[in-house]
Amino acid sequence: LAKTTQPISMDSYEGQEVNITCSHNNIATNDYITWYQQFPSQGPRFIIQGYKTKVTNEVASLFIPADRKSSTLSLPRVSLSDTAVYYCLVSNNAGNMLTFGGGTRLMVKP
Amino acid sequence: ETGVTQTPRHLVMGMTNKKSLKCEQHLGHNAMYWYKQSAKKPLELMFVYSLEERVENNSVPSRFSPECPNSSHLFLHLHTLQPEDSALYLCASSQDSDRGGATNEKLFFGSGTQLSVL
Repeated sequence: LAKTTQPISMDSYEGQEVNITCSHNNIATNDYITWYQQFPSQGPRFIIQGYKTKVTNEVASLFIPADRKSSTLSLPRVSLSDTAVYYCLVSNNAGNMLTFGGGTRLMVKP
Repeated sequence: ETGVTQTPRHLVMGMTNKKSLKCEQHLGHNAMYWYKQSAKKPLELMFVYSLEERVENNSVPSRFSPECPNSSHLFLHLHTLQPEDSALYLCASSQDSDRGGATNEKLFFGSGTQLSVL
């Protein structure tokens, strides 16, 4: 089971770049790394997914080193609306047991 | 709108009641999930259905009973719940691509049912 470890919380200010790192030392060869964003009283929302190196989309970038034992979600120029909990998820290759860790609570201040 | 609809949005029930949560996905996915999220706790995976077959999760009490009549619908039947079962219950779906290759499912969640057990 590829367990993930993230910081419990982070603070930032509007306009700054935020980097959230996730550790997943036991990641399996076939596992992908997926990040989700969750606002209060809502379901998590897919942000970005990657396997290795770097992935970029319209909202974020994902950096994955060669050993794949960690990954970093990068949010450029955050705004107040980016205040949320961010989850790193590594797919468990023992079927469909997609297990979330504790997530990182990001607070963006004016 | 994520394509996954959950009803009701809020539910208050007594410990002796029987109620059901409903989830419907319009994404053509073949896997559906129930998650529980208690206050300030991580998401807990409860049940998984893939191709309408259930993947057991032995840690879930029998007072929670899932049902998946087809690939688009998922129910969670509740009976004799306890106050500690109060939580946000989230349904999700994905396209199961695990055919021996990379597991890269993306989960699409509904807005959840906020359940209060009195």
